[in-house]
Amino acid sequence: QKEVEQNSGPLSVPEGAIASLNCTYSDRGSQSFFWYRQYSGKSPELIMSIYSNGDKEDGRFTAQLNKASQYVSLLIRDSQPSDSATYLCAVGDNFNKFYFGSGTKLNVKP
Amino acid sequence: GAGVSQSPSNKVTEKGKDVELRCDPISGHTALYWYRQRLGQGLEFLIYFQGNSAPDKSGLPSDRFSAERTGESVSTLTIQRTQQEDSAVYLCASSQRGSGAKNIQYFGAGTRLSVL
Repeated sequence: QKEVEQNSGPLSVPEGAIASLNCTYSDRGSQSFFWYRQYSGKSPELIMSIYSNGDKEDGRFTAQLNKASQYVSLLIRDSQPSDSATYLCAVGDNFNKFYFGSGTKLNVKP
Repeated sequence: GAGVSQSPSNKVTEKGKDVELRCDPISGHTALYWYRQRLGQGLEFLIYFQGNSAPDKSGLPSDRFSAERTGESVSTLTIQRTQQEDSAVYLCASSQRGSGAKNIQYFGAGTRLSVL
């Protein structure tokens, strides 16, 4: 069973701070890694994708992947109240199948 | 279309009735996925279609659940003899299978199913 683990939170950070979200996965053969944001009552929307070890930056978001340790993280700089949502980590395997964590709820306090 | 389209957006049904949920993927996307999300929970994989290959049905929770897809177009998820525990949001996603693993799923808005 391929598993993706996330801390359910809630993670509370003050506005302007850095929010750090973490995810671990069980399948060493995993090929692709994604972070989705899901607002309450809405469908997931893609924030970041990462495929190789290291950091990938896009605006205020940085995804970090460490395949040796089997973890992927998402950093949100200068957090805004509008970033308050549930963040889902997803991992893709060789067969184009994806496994989702249960999500971390982020609360950014004004 | 521009995005993944799902219908209906909401469905209320009585226990024991059959329901059919529809998903229209992004044009050109060969892969289509169905997920179930119960309130406050993560996404639960149900079924995956890839082109003309046999679908991966490993996530279907019981034989009351079935899904079909015609070619690389519309898919329908059917739940027979609905039970209250089937109440959830059913999400459809599609992706364009490219080389390697650089596939990104795009989600529809979901169908909220309520079984009374």
